[in-house]
Formats: sequence, C-alpha cells, structure tokens
Amino acid sequence: GAVVSQHPSWVICKSGTSVKIECRSLDFQATTMFWYRQFPKQSLMLMATSNEGSKATYEQGVEKDKFLINHASLTLSTLTVTSAHPEDSSFYICSARDLLYEQYFGPGTRLTVT
Amino acid sequence: QKEVEQDPGPLSVPEGAIVSLNCTYSNSAFQYFMWYRQYSRKGPELLMYTYSSGNKEDGRFTAQVDKSSKYISLFIRDSQPSDSATYLCAMSRYGNKLVFGAGTILRVKS
Repeated sequence: GAVVSQHPSWVICKSGTSVKIECRSLDFQATTMFWYRQFPKQSLMLMATSNEGSKATYEQGVEKDKFLINHASLTLSTLTVTSAHPEDSSFYICSARDLLYEQYFGPGTRLTVT
Repeated sequence: QKEVEQDPGPLSVPEGAIVSLNCTYSNSAFQYFMWYRQYSRKGPELLMYTYSSGNKEDGRFTAQVDKSSKYISLFIRDSQPSDSATYLCAMSRYGNKLVFGAGTILRVKS
C-alpha cells in the first residue's frame, strides 16, 4: 500500500512557541491531504482539507490563524501550530488521498505543549 | 443521530475466532466504504476499500457493503492477538471527506 510519512513523530514545545509538522506522500502524488486531531480514546476529528496550490478548507470551529496549513507540492503538506498552548497538546495525524480516492494515513505526531 | 454508528465495544474474542465488526449509516449518498485498523498511538492503517455494494476479500479479511440496508461489515477469520486494535469504519461521497465511526476496540485473547 501507499506510504505517508510524518515528521516529527513526537515534539515537546513551550507555551507560546510555534511548531511545524510535515506530511509527505512517499510513493504517490496527492492533490488532497487532510489533517486530523485525535484525543485519547476518541475517533479522528477532521481539522482541515489541504489542496495542492490552493488555500486549505477548515472545519467549523478550527481557527485558521492558529493552525496554518500549506500544501506546496503534490507530496508535501505542512501544519504549523502557532502560539501553542497546553490545550493544543494532542495527536495530529495527516492523510493523503490518491487518484483512486483511497486515503492513507501517516503515523501521527504527538504534540506536548508545556 | 450520527451519520455513522459503530459500537465502541470492547469486543473480546478467543484466538482463532471469527470476528464480525459492523457499522450502520444514514446518508444514502455514501459510495466509498473503508475499514481502518489503528494501534495505540499510531496512525490508522487502511485494511479494506470498497466502492458501492458487494463483498471484497483480502486474506483473512472480508468486507461487505449492503447499501439497501445502509450496513457495512468487516469479518476477520482466524483472529490473532496481533489483530487487537481499534477498527474504524469510514465512508464518503464522491470526492468528499471521510466520515468515521467511533471505532470498535477489539481484543483477541491467546
């Protein structure tokens, strides 16, 4: 199956700083990537849909100025959590959709804000 | 009412048992149906992908879609302890975002 990578896998940052998470589709091109957030023992919550070369579409209740998404190429999307606070601590997962509309997930990034 | 309903479990079965996991949905426009497996602290792994109604088999896994009943199933034969994970059903309309079930926790005991 297709492979999606995320970097870093785990990051700890201080409150008020910004953190960038990268999502790459390694063996296929993805015109659409998605960013999810997952709290313990809960299902995935879609944050935004990222289309290559255009602005991301954010879900209701997700602050676009806080969660900056850039999809600069067909294999790379980035999520930047700006001015992070402890309540932003979570498991962030990206996914990439191929031409057959199959959606593959990355391994996730655990963010801890102290 | 949620668009996709999935019993969160946990479902506990002995090793070697046949496991049946199910989801129901309310939106008849859904055309694409997926099953993902997620281990703790990992991203979901795509197990099965089905378009419209019918069955699909891959190794020990069989996915069934019954659009008339708005019901999808995943069967796991000869279950192993390594199958212990959370299983998420997901579905979408053409080109749209995925809608997930809550996930079912499966525990296979050796």
